[in-house]
Amino acid sequence: SQQGEEDPQALSIQEGENATMNCSYKTSINNLQWYRQNSGRGLVHLILIRSNEREKHSGRLRVTLDTSKKSSSLLITASRAADTASYFCATDDSFGQNFVFGPGTRLSVLP
Amino acid sequence: DAGVIQSPRHEVTEMGQEVTLRCKPISGHDYLFWYRQTMMRGLELLIYFNNNVPIDDSGMPEDRFSAKMPNASFSTLKIQPSEPRDSAVYFCASSLGDPQETQYFGPGTRLLVL
Repeated sequence: SQQGEEDPQALSIQEGENATMNCSYKTSINNLQWYRQNSGRGLVHLILIRSNEREKHSGRLRVTLDTSKKSSSLLITASRAADTASYFCATDDSFGQNFVFGPGTRLSVLP
Repeated sequence: DAGVIQSPRHEVTEMGQEVTLRCKPISGHDYLFWYRQTMMRGLELLIYFNNNVPIDDSGMPEDRFSAKMPNASFSTLKIQPSEPRDSAVYFCASSLGDPQETQYFGPGTRLLVL
């Protein structure tokens, strides 16, 4: 069964608003990563958070990890039209294997 | 660095034909991954190599699919014979030092099997 699953499947917001996407997983992990994919392009790595970390920041991105709930969230603050993309979480298992991507959240930021 | 390079970018072929996809990882990266992405199944890991050796090929759908990495700078994914259900975007990615560290993706090969 799929390890990471994002929610919502699709999200539409106005430019300037914050966007929050969630990722849930089933088994213990070693790392959790968030990637972005613009239409027709390859994936671009955003943030890696390790199982012993709770929060990481990178620019306008904030990722949290709650291992007790087996969930992570990606927050994009002050969104821009250029943030329009699909966002995927990816997890491995506690042995660092079985690297799996979730189905993704499709974010649309309207100008 | 040019990043991960894949070729061709687009491939249209007829059912039954052999298809070969190519990947050049980022120089110095010792892990290489092949993924397939479809609307129905999302992004699936097919196989990954460490130092040119296949480590996990459990994601390879069936015997029609094969992958090789003859040297550190080149890998191929071959489908023979191809079928319409193989139509997808195939991504190659590479990483340094650890399979679960940051992966750098190529632009993908969009395959259409008629």
